[in-house]
This record gives sequence, structure tokens and C-alpha cells, in this order.
Amino acid sequence: DAGVTQSPTHLIKTRGQQVTLRCSPKSGHDTVSWYQQALGQGPQFIFQYYEEEERQRGNFPDRFSGHQFPNYSSELNVNALLLGDSALYLCASSIGTSGEQFFGPGTRLTVL
Amino acid sequence: GESVGLHLPTLSVQEGDNSIINCAYSNSASDYFIWYKQESGKGPQFIIDIRSNMDKRQGQRVTVLLNKTVKHLSLQIAATQPGDSAVYFCAEKGEYGNKLVFGAGTILRVKS
Repeated sequence: DAGVTQSPTHLIKTRGQQVTLRCSPKSGHDTVSWYQQALGQGPQFIFQYYEEEERQRGNFPDRFSGHQFPNYSSELNVNALLLGDSALYLCASSIGTSGEQFFGPGTRLTVL
Repeated sequence: GESVGLHLPTLSVQEGDNSIINCAYSNSASDYFIWYKQESGKGPQFIIDIRSNMDKRQGQRVTVLLNKTVKHLSLQIAATQPGDSAVYFCAEKGEYGNKLVFGAGTILRVKS
């Protein structure tokens, strides 16, 4: 049984570009949450998707958007990249919006 | 405020000794607390959790203590092993809905 998977593993972009990160939840999970983890810090909540809708959002600008597909997988999109967007982006899946969250390995985004 | 913090950024222990990692949380309305372990290149891994109606919970080699009076959480690891070397985060959930609020993390180094 595969756990949470994320792609790509690493990504390098330049300022102003747009990026899409992908997440496949653990089998049987229907909810996906996204977190940003800057170097040396704890993860910060971006948003959560359930039933293809954004259910809760953290303190992130509108440049950060997402989507959830009928198969429960999810995408995180970031527009107009800034240097400060460089971080590890973590996806966590759960059964329902309040279930225990299982994390994927993350996507390391570097913005130059 | 919305913050969960750790007292010690780095903890070095001898193999076989017990480890204690501390965490202070700021929101007295939080009702669920979790400890995560994050190894290099991996996402956070669930260790143990505790609800606010409990003071102590034990797992395999790990114990979490919750002191609501002083808003303090601790993780005790018995007979620490080299494989326990990682960054440990406490996280809270409650007033902020289903998102997890993480602290900055403590690095645990186990010396052989």
C-alpha cells in the first residue's frame, strides 16, 4: 500500500514563474492538506481540500491556489514566484478533514 | 497568538539514555497535540498524540506529557537509539479548525 506520494522531488524556478506541484493521497484517504516548510522551521498550513473544494486556508496570498481531482489527488499552484517561496512543500492526506494526517516526502522548490 | 514553540533547538544525548524534548504552546483553546519526527529528506512522521482531557499517554518507548496549567508539552524517549536522531516537532490542533500548527522543531542528536 503506497503512502502519500509527491512529484516532482526537486524543482528549480526563477522569480516570476509559475509552478505546479502534485500529490497523490494514501489509499483510502479523501482529504489533502498542503504545508510550506522553510529551512529550519516547522511546516506552515497553506490549505486543505475535501470533496474537490478548499475547506480551510492559512495565511498565504492568492498566488497560492490548489485543486483536488475526483480521484482525491491534488495540485498546488504558485504564481509569480518570489525568492521567499523557496521551501519544502509537504502534502498530507487524511480520512475526512479532521483525521490523522499522513505526510508525503515533500517537493523541494528553489526559486532563483 | 497562533504559535507553538520549543525550548531547546538542539538536544544531544548518549545512546541508551532517555531524551526529553519540550514544547510550549500559546493557545489554551487547543484540544489535540501531536509529536512528529522528521528525518532528513522525509516528511514528518506521526509519533504519538494526546488530547487535552489527558495528562499522559504512553507508546512504545515514547511518552507524552501535557501540562495544561502552564501550556507545556513534552516528549520522552526511553533508551534513545541512533535511529531516533531527527528533528522533532510538536503540533496543535483545535481552535484553528483542522489545520496543524507546528512549532519550530528540536534537533535530536544521538551519540554512540
